[in-house]
Amino acid sequence: QKEVEQNSGPLSVPEGAIASLNCTYSDRGSQSFFWYRQYSGKSPELIMSIYSNGDKEDGRFTAQLNKASQYVSLLIRDSQPSDSATYLCAVNDNTDKLIFGTGTRLQVFP
Amino acid sequence: DTGVSQNPRHKITKRGQNVTFRCDPISEHNRLYWYRQTLGQGPEFLTYFQNEAQLEKSRLLSDRFSAERPKGSFSTLEIQRTEQGDSAMYLCQGTPLNYGYTFGSGTRLTVV
Repeated sequence: QKEVEQNSGPLSVPEGAIASLNCTYSDRGSQSFFWYRQYSGKSPELIMSIYSNGDKEDGRFTAQLNKASQYVSLLIRDSQPSDSATYLCAVNDNTDKLIFGTGTRLQVFP
Repeated sequence: DTGVSQNPRHKITKRGQNVTFRCDPISEHNRLYWYRQTLGQGPEFLTYFQNEAQLEKSRLLSDRFSAERPKGSFSTLEIQRTEQGDSAMYLCQGTPLNYGYTFGSGTRLTVV
């Protein structure tokens, strides 16, 4: 059974701090890794994708991938209350369908 | 705008009734996926199409569920004899050849 594990949280950080969200996966064959943000009652929104080891930065977001450790993370710099949401980690399988974790709820307080 | 449109946004139905959802991807989305998300969980794969061919179905897709994608364009997901356990958000995802994985706005089903 291919799995993606995330801490359900909530992760609480003060406004302006760095939020660090972590994810591990079981399938060593996974090639593509994604972070989605989901506000309550809404569908998931793709915010980052990463395909090779190392860091990928996009604005306040940085995705980090370590395939040897089967670990992917998302850093959110200068966290804002509007970043409060559930963050879903997903990896693809060999048919390109996505396997999701249960999500980490992030709370950014003023 | 993700380019994937889903209708209806919300559906409330009585147990035992049939419901049908529709997904309209943009023309470049040769692959189309259906997922289901229940409260507190991540989306779970149901089925996917490569153009008009349904290539894989999850064990979650019982015989009460059927999906079609005529002519490789829009797709429909039908649930027959709905049960309370079918209450969830149903998500459609279109994927062009080299980029994508974006969801539509979803259809929230409530079975009462």
